[in-house]
Amino acid sequence: GENVEQHPSTLSVQEGDSAVIKCTYSDSASNYFPWYKQELGKGPQLIIDIRSNVGEKKDQRIAVTLNKTAKHFSLHITETQPEDSAVYFCAPLITGGGNKLTFGTGTQLKVEL
Amino acid sequence: NAGVTQTPKFQVLKTGQSMTLQCAQDMNHNSMYWYRQDPGMGLRLIYYSASEGTTDKGEVPNGYNVSRLNKREFSLRLESAAPSQTSVYFCASSDRGGYNSPLHFGNGTRLTVT
Repeated sequence: GENVEQHPSTLSVQEGDSAVIKCTYSDSASNYFPWYKQELGKGPQLIIDIRSNVGEKKDQRIAVTLNKTAKHFSLHITETQPEDSAVYFCAPLITGGGNKLTFGTGTQLKVEL
Repeated sequence: NAGVTQTPKFQVLKTGQSMTLQCAQDMNHNSMYWYRQDPGMGLRLIYYSASEGTTDKGEVPNGYNVSRLNKREFSLRLESAAPSQTSVYFCASSDRGGYNSPLHFGNGTRLTVT
């Protein structure tokens, strides 16, 4: 099957620092790359997504970069705040076996004061 | 707008019992999905409905059935619960058919099968 790997599985940063989470996929035909944030006791929520015709997208403190050649995309959070503490999932669109989002195993981000 | 509403929030079943998880969305979305979330495994797709009147199997459909009752509602049924079905279940919806549009999730149903 198609593989999606997400690293690191846990990440602890000091408030104000930057955080980077990387997602690697194997389907070269993938063309949609979202990131979801899940707070404790809630469902995941889309925070940013990118399509394959662009290399970078930014929304305030959050950005996503895409390297289609290397088949990975990354979530960048700058000036981290305590409310950024959550689990983050990548979910690239995998075309093999019928288009579907395949979720990574998640990254637990903790922003410490 | 409530978005995606799931009921119940918590449920405990004995092995062999049956139950239906309910999901409703008020965003007039065409597509609806059921996922399960287990520790260390991300979210896995159980079933989805690309549009009213259609349903299809996802990655882990065994032991489950679904019904797209109307455009708003998509239910998940466990006919004979097993301990392996202990999980958190999430319903989601999206505007367009297919998967390249944002998913809107409910807050989940935590199911324990003893």
